[in-house]
Amino acid sequence: DAGVIQSPRHEVTEMGQEVTLRCKPISGHDYLFWYRQTMMRGLELLIYFNNNVPIDDSGMPEDRFSAKMPNASFSTLKIQPSEPRDSAVYFCASSLAGTQNTEAFFGQGTRLTVV
Amino acid sequence: AQKVTQAQTEISVVEKEDVTLDCVYETRDTTYYLFWYKQPPSGELVFLIRRNSFDEQNEISGRYSWNFQKSTSSFNFTITASQVVDSAVYFCALSADNAGNMLTFGGGTRLMVKP
Repeated sequence: DAGVIQSPRHEVTEMGQEVTLRCKPISGHDYLFWYRQTMMRGLELLIYFNNNVPIDDSGMPEDRFSAKMPNASFSTLKIQPSEPRDSAVYFCASSLAGTQNTEAFFGQGTRLTVV
Repeated sequence: AQKVTQAQTEISVVEKEDVTLDCVYETRDTTYYLFWYKQPPSGELVFLIRRNSFDEQNEISGRYSWNFQKSTSSFNFTITASQVVDSAVYFCALSADNAGNMLTFGGGTRLMVKP
């Protein structure tokens, strides 16, 4: 398996524009997580899904952020409109729960810069 | 609520020195997992170890060792004979048993190993 795949790796956008980050989890994993890493706040969970259903989105900063998981192999994190303070590295991770419980595997991250 | 504290924000050692990274956690869950991840300068998050709350045996993997002490809520990480390639940010993290490895991260410790 290629691991968790995120795209794009880098994104530079202007304030006010819509940004969509994409994630393909490891096949067979039933949990998917979106994390954000900033200097000020470190690594923080934004939202996670179990079997494509959002379970906890309490970490989503505000209504400008939304996440979807239309199927088991794809998730998006959208910011609309984007602001400079959204600049961060966004990580997607997936894991398998149950009897074959695995650790969370992380993608390479998307470095977002909003100017 | 869960909390992970890594009191050491930055450590600098000379190659071949031993170094211990501290991690203290708080949780009300009786069953939980503890993790260490490494983030090298390239930015990805590399899984190092996962321990469950019922397994207090110390673990050694090559130059790495981990000391889990439930009595002090600590999960410390020691690198023996450090090498320049060990330079990275190291994160300690905590997950409740029923959350699919949803992670609460500590603030990270930046380790610099000088030649």
